Amino acid sequence: GENVEQHPSTLSVQEGDSAVIKCTYSDSASNYFPWYKQELGKRPQLIIDIRSNVGEKKDQRIAVTLNKTAKHFSLHITETQPEDSAVYFCAASNSFGNTGKLIFGQGTTLQVKP
Amino acid sequence: NAGVTQTPKFRVLKTGQSMTLLCAQDMNHEYMYWYRQDPGMGLRLIHYSVGEGTTAKGEVPDGYNVSRLKKQNFLLGLESAAPSQTSVYFCASGYHGQGKETQYFGPGTRLLVL
Repeated sequence: GENVEQHPSTLSVQEGDSAVIKCTYSDSASNYFPWYKQELGKRPQLIIDIRSNVGEKKDQRIAVTLNKTAKHFSLHITETQPEDSAVYFCAASNSFGNTGKLIFGQGTTLQVKP
Repeated sequence: NAGVTQTPKFRVLKTGQSMTLLCAQDMNHEYMYWYRQDPGMGLRLIHYSVGEGTTAKGEVPDGYNVSRLKKQNFLLGLESAAPSQTSVYFCASGYHGQGKETQYFGPGTRLLVL
């Protein structure tokens, strides 16, 4: 079945630096790739997503890139701020499968030091 | 519009006891999901439902049962709780169809099995 690997498991950066989290997926039929942010004690919340017909998507300081050939996608956060500290999850889905199931990576704990 | 809600927020059980976790959504979503979240393992799908009266197994279904008698509710049952079921449980819901793949999460239920 589908498998999603996420790296690194922890990431510590200085405020203002950039952070990059990478995920690889196994199912070539996957065509939807969301990223969720989970603050301590809170629910996961969607921050950005990308579909397989697009190579890159940006939303202010956040961007996601997708390489379908290599089956990997990445989250880029620029000008990091302390409020970006959280656990980030990538996920993959085949939206033609009529189940909406997401397969999640293991998560990356991002710490932004002031 | 409350979104996705979960009941209870926290529960302590003794080994062998049973309980039911309730998930409710008011967004008229067709799809609903139950996940468990354990440290370092991301979000793992327990069971899911693509519509009222239907359920299916996810990645880690053993020891759990579900029911979806009404479109807005998805119940997760533990018939005989085990310490291995200590976890944080999240419910999520979403629409069916292309361009609507986003899943919306509830606030979570923290379960401790002694």
